[in-house]
Amino acid sequence: GAVVSQHPSWVICKSGTSVKIECRSLDFQATTMFWYRQFPKQSLMLMATSNEGSKATYEQGVEKDKFLINHASLTLSTLTVTSAHPEDSSFYICSARVGVRNTEAFFGQGTRLTVV
Amino acid sequence: AQTVTQSQPEMSVQEAETVTLSCTYDTSESDYYLFWYKQPPSRQMILVIRQEAYKQQNATENRFSVNFQKAAKSFSLKISDSQLGDAAMYFCAYRSSGGATNKLIFGTGTLLAVQP
Repeated sequence: GAVVSQHPSWVICKSGTSVKIECRSLDFQATTMFWYRQFPKQSLMLMATSNEGSKATYEQGVEKDKFLINHASLTLSTLTVTSAHPEDSSFYICSARVGVRNTEAFFGQGTRLTVV
Repeated sequence: AQTVTQSQPEMSVQEAETVTLSCTYDTSESDYYLFWYKQPPSRQMILVIRQEAYKQQNATENRFSVNFQKAAKSFSLKISDSQLGDAAMYFCAYRSSGGATNKLIFGTGTLLAVQP
């Protein structure tokens, strides 16, 4: 299957700083990428849908100024957590869909963010 | 809005035995896709099996099969000959057909333990 690489796998940052997470489709072009947040022992919560070359669509309740998403190319989307606080500590996962009509989404390995 | 319900937070099965995980969903759409994803301790999301709603035949992938009951809006996963490596969190997911930006809607997950 297609490979989605997420980097870093884990990161620790200080409160008030910003951290960037990258999501790359390695062997395919991803028109659409999705960003999720997952709390321990809970399901994946969709944060936003990212389309190449346009603004991301955020889910209700997700602060767009807090979680900046950029999808500058067909193989790269980034999530930047700005002015991070301990409550932003979580597991963040991206996924990418192959092509326009393909039904399957492939997931990155996730990033564990800890804000201290 | 569509919803996905997994009523079994935890399940346990003996190695080599068979286990069935339940999933129900609610939708007014007639064309859609259903998925089962596995999330092992590594937290990498892995697609186990998918079903197109317009297909009457139940999908199978080796030891994994589904029982898709469209009228009842039920989509259960059967794991045969359970192996220790099957231990993971399993998520049922729904996606509308059509556009690439249609998002996956996840259930709350079922944690499967496999006893040796």
